Amino acid sequence: QVQLVESGGGVVQPGRSLRLSCAASGFSFSTYAMHWVRQAPGKGLEWVAVISYDESYKHYADSVKGRFTISRDISKTTLYLEMNSLRAEDTAVYYCAREGGASCRFDYWGQGTLVTVSS
Amino acid sequence: QSVLTQPPSVSAAPGQRVTISCSGSSSNIGNNHVSWYQQLPGTAPKLLIYENNKRPSGIPDRFSGSKSGTSATLGITGLQTGDEADYYCGTWDSSLSAGVFGGGTKLTVL
Repeated sequence: QVQLVESGGGVVQPGRSLRLSCAASGFSFSTYAMHWVRQAPGKGLEWVAVISYDESYKHYADSVKGRFTISRDISKTTLYLEMNSLRAEDTAVYYCAREGGASCRFDYWGQGTLVTVSS
Repeated sequence: QSVLTQPPSVSAAPGQRVTISCSGSSSNIGNNHVSWYQQLPGTAPKLLIYENNKRPSGIPDRFSGSKSGTSATLGITGLQTGDEADYYCGTWDSSLSAGVFGGGTKLTVL
């Protein structure tokens, strides 16, 4: 069965960096676009970034552009989110999600990993 | 402020029907498919509806979706207490080159 397992969250000081991972299994990882979506405490869902199945395109939300980098390792079937220059407003649960079809159809989600940016 | 607009909350009695609206523009809902997600407290979102009106395997037919122009609607019939959750609409915005969500609607089954 499809599984997405995030890791790498934790408490980090403002201005520092953190790398999140999302280990994928149960499907052909190399044939799906993958996304990161976050949810600040008590708030709604916010789309963060997408990477195509072949890495030919990557797109980012304006709120993270220039600070976050999405990448993937096909051999490890793992999705990454490198987060630099972290701010308090980046505090959220970060989910990875598989794009199961057009227009951001997220058919599988991980359980999420909490990132807290605080001094 | 979300690109897609949803009512913050809706409520109805058990057994009744409720609808949740999602309003957007030509760059998102108007030219792309809409998905709907259910998020139970403390859990990850779950896909309820995709391509405006299709249900993934395992989603009961009490849940339905529709789209007209730049708006979409989620309908839930035969409400159960277990349906109490936050519901989100989402799609791709072709102008922003970004995924977009509604602000979420909290469903209360009275």
